[in-house]
Amino acid sequence: KQEVTQIPAALSVPEGENLVLNCSFTDSAIYNLQWFRQDPGKGLTSLLLIQSSQREQTSGRLNASLDKSSGRSTLYIAASQPGDSATYLCAVGANDYKLSFGAGTTVTVRA
Amino acid sequence: DTAVSQTPKYLVTQMGNDKSIKCEQNLGHDTMYWYKQDSKKFLKIMFSYNNKELIINETVPNRFSPKSPDKAHLNLHINSLELGDSAVYFCASSQAHNSYEQYFGPGTRLTVT
Repeated sequence: KQEVTQIPAALSVPEGENLVLNCSFTDSAIYNLQWFRQDPGKGLTSLLLIQSSQREQTSGRLNASLDKSSGRSTLYIAASQPGDSATYLCAVGANDYKLSFGAGTTVTVRA
Repeated sequence: DTAVSQTPKYLVTQMGNDKSIKCEQNLGHDTMYWYKQDSKKFLKIMFSYNNKELIINETVPNRFSPKSPDKAHLNLHINSLELGDSAVYFCASSQAHNSYEQYFGPGTRLTVT
C-alpha cells in the first residue's frame, strides 16, 4: 500500500524567501506524481504533473523534482508572495489510475 | 463558469439522519470521483464512475451509495450518519478513467452532531 508523507506539516516564511516542500512515498512503482494547491473553502488545483520518466517540471516560479528510486519529490517556489499562502498536496499516481495523497504542507507567506 | 460544482457547501446534521451531496461537472468529462478528506487532511478516494458505470469502489461502508444519473452528475447518498462521517467530501472529474488530470470541486464540509 502506497504511503505518502509530506514534511513539514506547516511552514511560515517572510515574503521573498524561497520555499522548499518535501514529499516522500514508500512504493517507487509509480506512474506519475502531482503537486496540488488547496485554498480554504475551494477545491484542489493541479500545479505540476511529473511523469515517472521525468526528473523535473517547471511552471513559472514553481519547480518540482522527482527521484523515483529514492521515493522523493521536492516542490520549490521561488521568491514567495503572500498569494502563495495555501496548503500544498503531493499525490502519487499508480498504474490503476488511483491517486494517493499526502496530508499536505500548509504554507504562510508573511508580508 | 464553474467547472465542478457541489451542493451544499456546508451540511450540519444529527446522527442517524440520511443526507445527500450533489456534484455536477460541465467539462464534458467521462469520469467522476468522490474523495473524503478526514481530520488529518488525507484525501482518500471512495468511488469513481466512468460513463455512469462504477469502476472504483474502495472499502467504504455500504451506508454510502453513489448514484450517477448521467455522466455529468455524481451524487453521494449517506444513510444513518455517524460521528465518524464528519469530513470534507470532494467531487472531481477527469476526461477519461485513465487520466490522472483531475479537476476538483470546492468540497462539502459535513458535520455530524
